[in-house]
Amino acid sequence: GENVEQHPSTLSVQEGDSAVIKCTYSDSASNYFPWYKQELGKGPQLIIDIRSNVGEKKDQRIAVTLNKTAKHFSLHITETQPEDSAVYFCAASINDYKLSFGAGTTVTVRA
Amino acid sequence: DARVTQTPRDKVTEMGQEVTMRCQPILGHNTVFWYRQTMKQGLELLAYFRNRAPLDDSGMPKDRFSAEMPDATLATLKIQPSEPRDSAVYFCASGLPSRNEAFFGQGTRLTVV
Repeated sequence: GENVEQHPSTLSVQEGDSAVIKCTYSDSASNYFPWYKQELGKGPQLIIDIRSNVGEKKDQRIAVTLNKTAKHFSLHITETQPEDSAVYFCAASINDYKLSFGAGTTVTVRA
Repeated sequence: DARVTQTPRDKVTEMGQEVTMRCQPILGHNTVFWYRQTMKQGLELLAYFRNRAPLDDSGMPKDRFSAEMPDATLATLKIQPSEPRDSAVYFCASGLPSRNEAFFGQGTRLTVV
C-alpha cells in the first residue's frame, strides 16, 4: 500500500517567517494530495489540496507544490501567524478514496 | 455551515462493555469514512462506505468492530467487547462523490478503563 513520510515532526518559527513541511510518497499511481490542519480537540480540516495534473497551487498564504518525478510534495505557509499553530498532516491517495496520512508536523508560531 | 456531526464527543467505558459511536455525514455526501487516531499509529483508516455499502473494512479488527450505515444520514461504529487498547479518538469523515476530499467531524474520544 501507499506509504507517506512527513518531515519535520516539529517546527518552530517566528511570527512572520515562513514554514515548510515536506512529504514523500511511495506509490506512483497516487494522484491526490491533500493537506489537513488539526487544532487541539478538533478534527483534521482540509486546508488545501493538489492533484497530479498540477505542479503548484496557492491559496492566500498557503501554497503546495508537487514533484511527481521525485514523488514528493510540500506545504508552504508564508507570513506565519499565531493562529497557524497546529498539527499539519499530508496525505496521498489513488482514486479509490483511501487516504494514507503522514505522521504529522506540530507547528508552533512564536509571537 | 455543513459539517460532519459525531456523537458522543467523549466516552469513558469499562473493559468488556459495548461502545457505539454515531456519525451524521454532510448532506449529499455518499462516501463515509471511519478513522482512528492514536499517538503511536497516527490516523488509520478503519472502514469506508459508498452509497451505504461497505467498500473496504480491512483496517478494522473484525472480531470486535463493526460498521454500518442504516441510512444515508447515519453511520455507526460499534466495538463489542471494548478493550483498553481501543482507547483513541475515532473520526468520521464524509466526501463528495466526484472528488477525493474528506471532511472530518470533531471526533469521539474513547477511553476504555
